[in-house]
Amino acid sequence: GAVVSQHPSRVICKSGTSVKIECRSLDFQATTMFWYRQFPKQSLMLMATSNEGSKATYEQGVEKDKFLINHASLTLSTLTVTSAHPEDSSFYICSAREERGGSGYFGPGTRLLVL
Amino acid sequence: QKEVEQDPGPLSVPEGAIVSLNCTYSNSAFQYFMWYRQYSRKGPELLMYTYSSGNKEDGRFTAQVDKSSKYISLFIRDSQPSDSATYLCAMRAGNTPLVFGKGTRLSVIA
Repeated sequence: GAVVSQHPSRVICKSGTSVKIECRSLDFQATTMFWYRQFPKQSLMLMATSNEGSKATYEQGVEKDKFLINHASLTLSTLTVTSAHPEDSSFYICSAREERGGSGYFGPGTRLLVL
Repeated sequence: QKEVEQDPGPLSVPEGAIVSLNCTYSNSAFQYFMWYRQYSRKGPELLMYTYSSGNKEDGRFTAQVDKSSKYISLFIRDSQPSDSATYLCAMRAGNTPLVFGKGTRLSVIA
């Protein structure tokens, strides 16, 4: 089946630094990618939706200047957490969907810990 | 009322039992319904994907959708300890983002 990768799988950083997370669709072209955040024992919360070549659409309450999303190609989207703080520590998961729709495929997630 | 309601559990069953998981929803526009399994510290894995009402079976898993009642179910037959995970229902209307339930934590005890 289709595979979506994320890198890094885990990152620990100091407060105030920026962290970039990559999401790649390995064997299909993802016209739409979604970024989610998941806190312990909570469900996935959609942060933003990005279409290749367009600006991302952010969900209410998600700061677009803090969570920068770039979807420059059909196989790569990046999420940059700028000036990270301890409250940004979470599990970040991307999902990629092909043009024809479908359920989309999830990446394995990136665990971010901000000290 | 949240768009998708799912009992978070935890649900604990003995090995071999039939597990019934379900979600209710309020948006009648939802057409696509999914069930995901998520192991701890991993991304969600798609188990079942159905369109509109009806049943779908895949191995030990059966998904049911009743749009008239806005109710979906996932049944797991002959449950195994390896089925222990969090099960998330998700749904969407057209080409919109998925809306997830909170997830139900399942433990299958050997």
